Amino acid sequence: AQKVTQAQTEISVVEKEDVTLDCVYETRDTTYYLFWYKQPPSGELVFLIRRNSFDEQNEISGRYSWNFQKSTSSFNFTITASQVVDSAVYFCALSGGNTGNQFYFGTGTSLTVIP
Amino acid sequence: EPEVTQTPSHQVTQMGQEVILRCVPISNHLYFYWYRQILGQKVEFLVSFYNNEISEKSEIFDDQFSVERPDGSNFTLKIRSTKLEDSAMYFCASRTGMSTGELFFGEGSRLTVL
Repeated sequence: AQKVTQAQTEISVVEKEDVTLDCVYETRDTTYYLFWYKQPPSGELVFLIRRNSFDEQNEISGRYSWNFQKSTSSFNFTITASQVVDSAVYFCALSGGNTGNQFYFGTGTSLTVIP
Repeated sequence: EPEVTQTPSHQVTQMGQEVILRCVPISNHLYFYWYRQILGQKVEFLVSFYNNEISEKSEIFDDQFSVERPDGSNFTLKIRSTKLEDSAMYFCASRTGMSTGELFFGEGSRLTVL
């Protein structure tokens, strides 16, 4: 079964603090893709990153970084020096290479950055 | 930058009425999706569409729902007889390839059923 778990429902941090959002996934596919999306208060879903199952190299993009570990089936997302504009709900998602084209979303983590 | 567009942004309807939500996916994309998000909850898959037919659908997508790509550009979601529990944000999305590409989402259509 395909499943994405985001155990953190809500997180609050003070501006400039670092914060890590956890994502754990389950899949039987040998090839799969992991994603993070941001949903700001305005409601749209904004793509942040895609990672395929063969690429465990961590990625950094500005203040954002992602840590993919197949051994623990985790794809965690870290925001460094958080800003108020980072306040949003963040969704982790999984797409399977062998079992169709559906995206499986986690339940989301609501991040509030306090000025 | 190409984007997925959705109309209307907000629709209010009476229970039992039919609703059609419209989407224009990105032009070179081949796979189209509808997702919904009940307020404050997770994003739930409804249906995927490829090559002019449904390729996958969830349990939510019952006989009250249908999708259509009538003219090669629009992708519509119809709810035949709306229920209170259909109130949600409905997102259209598209992608180029089957599993490699990210989903590009529209800004959503908020449906309120009274």
